[in-house]
Amino acid sequence: QKEVEQNSGPLSVPEGAIASLNCTYSDRGSQSFFWYRQYSGKSPELIMFIYSNGDKEDGRFTAQLNKASQYVSLLIRDSQPSDSATYLCAVISGNTGKLIFGQGTTLQVKP
Amino acid sequence: DAGVIQSPRHEVTEMGQEVTLRCKPISGHNSLFWYRQTMMRGLELLIYFNNNVPIDDSGMPEDRFSAKMPNASFSTLKIQPSEPRDSAVYFCASINPLTYEQYFGPGTRLTVT
Repeated sequence: QKEVEQNSGPLSVPEGAIASLNCTYSDRGSQSFFWYRQYSGKSPELIMFIYSNGDKEDGRFTAQLNKASQYVSLLIRDSQPSDSATYLCAVISGNTGKLIFGQGTTLQVKP
Repeated sequence: DAGVIQSPRHEVTEMGQEVTLRCKPISGHNSLFWYRQTMMRGLELLIYFNNNVPIDDSGMPEDRFSAKMPNASFSTLKIQPSEPRDSAVYFCASINPLTYEQYFGPGTRLTVT
């Protein structure tokens, strides 16, 4: 079992819709969770972080964390073509303190 | 702040040659990470330093890879000898010690022919 798992996609949504990106992790001791966006040919860019159970909103982005289910998600409201990218979920391992990345989900927002 | 700086941005070399990648972390960030990204394997952590000391190098693929951090503002990743399977994008990242937010450099695209 991979430490951080994401569906590779591609996830295709129409412009203006809500995109829902999901991530599960195996280390129950993990405390810090991050979402990165990576455009093709560019470096990962931090867009959200969440430490506590529940929802955290920042503009069109909402991160959701459920530690009991070991599940973290990212919702993008009013999706735009410029949101088309690969979204990487990352978790700080409670065992090692290392930031572990998932394989990423490719999002395509179609005009 | 200029962010994490990496050089070179692109490197093309022949198999067997030595390759040195360089990184300057964000000032004040006390942890530095080297990653490798390929389509097949995704983003892999190679090694990370905390306060210039290597903490975990379990991701370094083999002895051909070595990394150093002689001071808080500079790190190198060396591959000697290089092989075609080392072709990838190599990212350096540093971490804000207060928030654990990690910031990536622009990457070095390495091609070994």
